[in-house]
Amino acid sequence: GAVVSQHPSWVICKSGTSVKIECRSLDFQATTMFWYRQFPKQSLMLMATSNEGSKATYEQGVEKDKFLINHASLTLSTLTVTSAHPEDSSFYICSASRGSGTRQETQYFGPGTRLLVL
Amino acid sequence: KNEVEQSPQNLTAQEGEFITINCSYSVGISALHWLQQHPGGGIVSLFMLSSGKKKHGRLIATINIQEKHSSLHITASHPRDSAVYICAVPLLDSGGGADGLTFGKGTHLIIQP
Repeated sequence: GAVVSQHPSWVICKSGTSVKIECRSLDFQATTMFWYRQFPKQSLMLMATSNEGSKATYEQGVEKDKFLINHASLTLSTLTVTSAHPEDSSFYICSASRGSGTRQETQYFGPGTRLLVL
Repeated sequence: KNEVEQSPQNLTAQEGEFITINCSYSVGISALHWLQQHPGGGIVSLFMLSSGKKKHGRLIATINIQEKHSSLHITASHPRDSAVYICAVPLLDSGGGADGLTFGKGTHLIIQP
């Protein structure tokens, strides 16, 4: 149990286009989903926290108008990279938590999406 | 904001050796995560622990909350254990519910046959 999927796993796009990445919890309801990115040879970094039905909370330095996050249901969150540029090329990974709200929760990670912007 | 330090950064060992990876963090937490990342990038959650010790197969994780330190041990290491092992703690620990994580730089482990 507790499987998280991401789609697509790979995407190559031209500069200026928008790319949507989906994150799904397949066998549980995810109250909270997180979006992280990892540049080559660097640590994973939290981009934003998404709670179902409310606006995402973005970390400092992450442009909310560029990285649009939608968490419309308890099993799906989407990250849209708008007007992508080469510097947005990265590995984007989501995680999902059941969110009991009373204790620290295990996060279940998706397989990640590699984005290459030409 | 929590800071995470891991050591060693790189580790090469022979099959069968006992492996230890260390993690220290700067701010008190409710739980610490050990993760495994394979070359393709996929991440597997190995442990989440808030005190004491946990064991899963050949993997053992310990944490000392007072010293803000955790260790991940691998017994009877095998080439398939080769991966990046990452320690992660809550970025801003709210003490309840799910918090976004901040990660160590990872330990690149290679187990040679």
